[in-house]
Order: sequence, then structure tokens, then C-alpha cells
Amino acid sequence: AQSVTQLDSHVSVSEGTPVLLRCNYSSSYSPSLFWYVQHPNKGLQLLLKYTSAATLVKGINGFEAEFKKSETSFHLTKPSAHMSDAAEYFCVVNPASSNTGKLIFGQGTTLQVKP
Amino acid sequence: GAGVSQTPSNKVTEKGKYVELRCDPISGHTALYWYRQSLGQGPEFLIYFQGTGAADDSGLPNDRFFAVRPEGSVSTLKIQRTERGDSAVYLCASSSTGTSGIYNEQFFGPGTRLTVL
Repeated sequence: AQSVTQLDSHVSVSEGTPVLLRCNYSSSYSPSLFWYVQHPNKGLQLLLKYTSAATLVKGINGFEAEFKKSETSFHLTKPSAHMSDAAEYFCVVNPASSNTGKLIFGQGTTLQVKP
Repeated sequence: GAGVSQTPSNKVTEKGKYVELRCDPISGHTALYWYRQSLGQGPEFLIYFQGTGAADDSGLPNDRFFAVRPEGSVSTLKIQRTERGDSAVYLCASSSTGTSGIYNEQFFGPGTRLTVL
């Protein structure tokens, strides 16, 4: 079965420093991979998606992620954290074997941004 | 424009009762999904509709859970004989279907927080 593993349940950074949220996936085929963000009391929002085009994917709010097949990783990065980035982040896979578009979510990483 | 809406935002019920959760997708979106998010976990897939039909219900945990989408728009998730373990946030998402059956971005609603006492 295809799945994603988020390696950190909680990440804390200072405002203005880089952000790295780690995600590994397991898949027998080339999956579609996503990062979603969930702010408190708000709906899930798509940050970016990888669908077998460019391996470096740029998303909203300065986030980007790189698909590395050799490492089965899809880590999310941002050069400089803002206070407004504090939220829950989910690495998500749409299995290549699925023809329904259903999403499989990781456990989530809580990003804390300190002033 | 209007996003995905879900009602009620909060629902408190007693063990053994029946509940209905409603989802209004974005107008024109043919695909509709239900997910369940337990505390401290990522959302888990429950069921997927394409139009009026449930194309994939493999995520429904047992036969107490049922969902309908009779006119291909609004969907209702129904839970019979609720149990304390059903307490969670129930999320609905919708998306359009592009060319070659490619599924586009899923837009999520704010969720319904269900508490079973």
C-alpha cells in the first residue's frame, strides 16, 4: 500500500530562518504528491503538488518541495519563516493505482515560528 | 466565490444516536470526498462520489456509516448508533475532473466537529 511518513511531528524555528519539513513516501509507481497546510479553525489549503513534471515544485507563500525518487522523499522548504506560517502541514499522496483521486495523508507536522 | 460549506460546524450527540452531516460542494464540481480527522492525526479517506454514485467507499469503517449524493451536488454523511470512537472532525472536499479523467485540486470545507458523549 502506498503511504507517506512525516519524519517530524513538531518543528520549531525562529522567524526569518529556513524551514524544512520532511516527508518520505512509499510507492511502487510514480505517485502524485502534495503538501497541504491547515491553520487553526480553517480548512485545508493546497500549498503545492508534484505530478511527474518538474521535480522542483514551487507553491504558494514562498514554499517549495523537491521530489527525489532515489531517496523517496518530498521535503518541504521555505527560505525564511514568517509568523503566519505557524500551522499544521500534511504531506499527501494520491496513489498511482487510484483512479479516484482519493488522498492519503501523513500524520502531520506542527510548525511553530518563534519571534 | 463560495467554497465548500459544511453544516453543522459542531455536533454533540449521545452514544447510540443517529447523526447527519451535510456538505455543499463548489458549484459544478463533480467529484466529492469525505474524510475523517481524529485528534492529532491526518485526515483519513472515507468515501468518494463521482456525480451521484459512490465510486469508492473503501474507507467507510463499518456499516454504521453511509453517505448519499442524490442529485450530484449536496452530500450527506449518515452515522447510525454513534459510538464514542466516532468523535472526530469530518471533512468534505470537492474537485472538478479534468481531461483524461485527471483529478484536479481538492478544495476542503471547514469540517464538522462531531462529539459523541
